[in-house]
Amino acid sequence: DAMVIQNPRYQVTQFGKPVTLSCSQTLNHNVMYWYQQKSSQAPKLLFHYYDKDFNNEADTPDNFQSRRPNTSFCFLDIRSPGLGDAAMYLCATSPPGKNIQYFGAGTRLSVL
Amino acid sequence: AQSVSQHNHHVILSEAASLELGCNYSYGGTVNLFWYVQYPGQHLQLLLKYFSGDPLVKGIKGFEAEFIKSKFSFNLRKPSVQWSDTAEYFCAVNARAGNNRKLIWGLGTSLAVNP
Repeated sequence: DAMVIQNPRYQVTQFGKPVTLSCSQTLNHNVMYWYQQKSSQAPKLLFHYYDKDFNNEADTPDNFQSRRPNTSFCFLDIRSPGLGDAAMYLCATSPPGKNIQYFGAGTRLSVL
Repeated sequence: AQSVSQHNHHVILSEAASLELGCNYSYGGTVNLFWYVQYPGQHLQLLLKYFSGDPLVKGIKGFEAEFIKSKFSFNLRKPSVQWSDTAEYFCAVNARAGNNRKLIWGLGTSLAVNP
């Protein structure tokens, strides 16, 4: 059973058109992460939540925002996607006290 | 700054060959160490981890890794690879300092196993 669920698996958007990616988890983990992964590269951390405490990476563009309305759900909003934002977006969760990260299947974003 | 270095970006092996993928990290303190695997078209999965204790850790699918503190290394090994091991392998490190919840990732090693 999938424990970190990302929807949709594939998302196509137009240049400049806002898009929202979603992540849900059944693990009740308090930490949730959003990563961007481009082809044949390591995942790049965009931000993470420790409970409701939001932690942005210094080099994450302002174009990327996130919301976590409750423990189970987390959203990635891309306000004005550019061609360079086409990538796989990965959500991960982690239980308190242990930094083992459990990944969802990812959402592949295409920008036309 | 902390960093993780994976020595080989691309590795090509024949089935039944032995595998060793190098991983070195730079951090002077206590660390947690991980190897993640990403099969083609699939999500990242934890292959194995080291937190403390026996420096030789066993993971899934016959993989193992050895933490050598003096060398700041955590190399991944498998005695006999299979075609199904074709994947991208990532080494990651978490510095066990305070409330640090972030992983530092290596650039990954792409492994292709020829049948």
